[in-house]
Amino acid sequence: GQSLEQPSEVTAVEGAIVQINCTYQTSGFYGLSWYQQHDGGAPTFLSYNALDGLEETGRFSSFLSRSDSYGYLLLQELQMKDSASYFCAVANANRDDKIIFGKGTRLHILP
Amino acid sequence: DADVTQTPRNRITKTGKRIMLECSQTKGHDRMYWYRQDPGLGLRLIYYSFDVKDINKGEISDGYSVSRQAQAKFSLSLESAIPNQTALYFCATSVRGSGANVLTFGAGSRLTVL
Repeated sequence: GQSLEQPSEVTAVEGAIVQINCTYQTSGFYGLSWYQQHDGGAPTFLSYNALDGLEETGRFSSFLSRSDSYGYLLLQELQMKDSASYFCAVANANRDDKIIFGKGTRLHILP
Repeated sequence: DADVTQTPRNRITKTGKRIMLECSQTKGHDRMYWYRQDPGLGLRLIYYSFDVKDINKGEISDGYSVSRQAQAKFSLSLESAIPNQTALYFCATSVRGSGANVLTFGAGSRLTVL
């Protein structure tokens, strides 16, 4: 089966940098995605890593190490609007290619 | 109009009732998914469909059924609703190939079973 582990909560200060980690176990790994969900809203796609290394999109970056089955989302210059839940998700390279989510990390930002 | 539309947005029903949640999309995506969200449990996959004739069970399909009426429509049914099916349900879509891992979600359907 597949499983993902990420911290349930993280707290950081406005303007700072925060890293949200995700470790996964899956057969036939395909890629690691990250989604953001604000309270009362739907998840929205942030980034996707299929290969090792860092992908940067503005203030957000995502990293993947396939050998360590590990990835992280890095948020820089934190803003109050970044307060949300963040989910990592994996897709399986098997034919069924279903996308499985972690339980999410709630990010609290202090002024 | 939203790319992925879910109806109803909110529904309160009683134990034993049959409920259908509907999802339609205008993105032209071939893949559609139903997820359930409960506090602290993240998003759990119920069913997914890669095209009209291809429907697959996800992590928690017991007590649910689905119908892919057309490429753009994917419905989730609870044949006999029970209180522990109270949750927020999301429909999502994606394309095959390089975009397969980019899910577009609907706004969600909040279901309460009394």
